[in-house]
Amino acid sequence: GDSVTQMEGPVTLSEEAFLTINCTYTATGYPSLFWYVQYPGEGLQLLLKATKADDKGSNKGFEATYRKETTSFHLEKGSVQVSDSAVYFCALSDRNGNQFYFGTGTSLTVIP
Amino acid sequence: KAGVTQTPRYLIKTRGQQVTLSCSPISGHRSVSWYQQTPGQGLQFLFEYFSETQRNKGNFPGRFSGRQFSNSRSEMNVSTLELGDSALYLCASSTNTGLNGEQFFGPGTRLTVL
Repeated sequence: GDSVTQMEGPVTLSEEAFLTINCTYTATGYPSLFWYVQYPGEGLQLLLKATKADDKGSNKGFEATYRKETTSFHLEKGSVQVSDSAVYFCALSDRNGNQFYFGTGTSLTVIP
Repeated sequence: KAGVTQTPRYLIKTRGQQVTLSCSPISGHRSVSWYQQTPGQGLQFLFEYFSETQRNKGNFPGRFSGRQFSNSRSEMNVSTLELGDSALYLCASSTNTGLNGEQFFGPGTRLTVL
């Protein structure tokens, strides 16, 4: 079946450091790919998404590119801020939009 | 616009009991999905309802069921509770059926089974 494998955390970075959180997937056909974020004390919210190969999702300085050849959707940000401290979840919906799978989540702490 | 609301926020039950959780979607959203979050299994999809019909279902036993009302509000029921059902149950709403669009999540109901 379809699945998502996400980089284990926790990750601790200094402010203005470069962030990469790795995410790879297994799926039949072309799933839709997502990054959701959960800030402390808040609910899950969509950060960005991509629905077809080579699409790049971007939001709030974060980017992720849908790579079919490597079945990956890595999250990147060039310069993290303390306010980016949160738990990040990679996720996919299958090609028909019938099932949804989350990765295990990666906790990010950014220190000043 | 008000967000997704879930009630109750916290619940304590004992093994063998049943429980009903409620979710009110964002106004205008007709799809409601449910997820279970546990430390061991992470976030897992339970089911999705759209226009009062279950459209999609995850890999959970029949003890987990749900329904949706004509105003799009949804309830989830778990019968014969087991210790392993202790979890945070999240509800999410979206405008259309299918799970490939943006989902808006509620704060969750924390269920503890003793």
